Amino acid sequence: AQKVTQAQTEISVVEKEDVTLDCVYETRDTTYYLFWYKQPPSGELVFLIRRNSFDEQNEISGRYSWNFQKSTSSFNFTITASQVVDSAVYFCALSVNTGTASKLTFGTGTRLQVTL
Amino acid sequence: EAQVTQNPRYLITVTGKKLTVTCSQNMNHEYMSWYRQDPGLGLRQIYYSMNVEVTDKGDVPEGYKVSRKEKRNFPLILESPSPNQTSLYFCASSYRDSRYEQYFGPGTRLTVT
Repeated sequence: AQKVTQAQTEISVVEKEDVTLDCVYETRDTTYYLFWYKQPPSGELVFLIRRNSFDEQNEISGRYSWNFQKSTSSFNFTITASQVVDSAVYFCALSVNTGTASKLTFGTGTRLQVTL
Repeated sequence: EAQVTQNPRYLITVTGKKLTVTCSQNMNHEYMSWYRQDPGLGLRQIYYSMNVEVTDKGDVPEGYKVSRKEKRNFPLILESPSPNQTSLYFCASSYRDSRYEQYFGPGTRLTVT
């Protein structure tokens, strides 16, 4: 069975601080996909990034960066110079697709509060 | 505009009264799924569908039914709702399966008394 652990329930930072959200996953499959989604206070779910298990290159998109390490089964998300608009719940998710099954497993989420 | 719509957005009902939450997407996506979001538990997949007439259980399917008679629609049916089904429900769709970006609906807040 697959599992995603986001051990940080809530994080509070002051604007302009850097913050890293941790994500640890478990799966026996060698082919899988990892995602991050953002849920702002308005409630909608917004896709941020997708990574497949064969691509361990780190990715940077503006102030956002992602560190994928298969050796530690982690897919961590860093926000540089955080802003109040980054306040949201962030979910990490794992997809395993076997051809006959295609499930998506989410972590419990990390609530990020950025204050002035 | 590409979107996933859900109706109703808010629903208060009583135990045992059958209800249906509708979900529709206009992106011709093959994959559709339902999730429930509960405090401290994140999002959990209820059912998913990989195409018309093809549905399968997610992690928490008990007490729910789904059908996929048309590609665009994927209703969630609670035949006999109970208070433990009080939750925030999200429908989502993606191009082919769970490996692709999910497009989420706005959510349906359900309260069962």
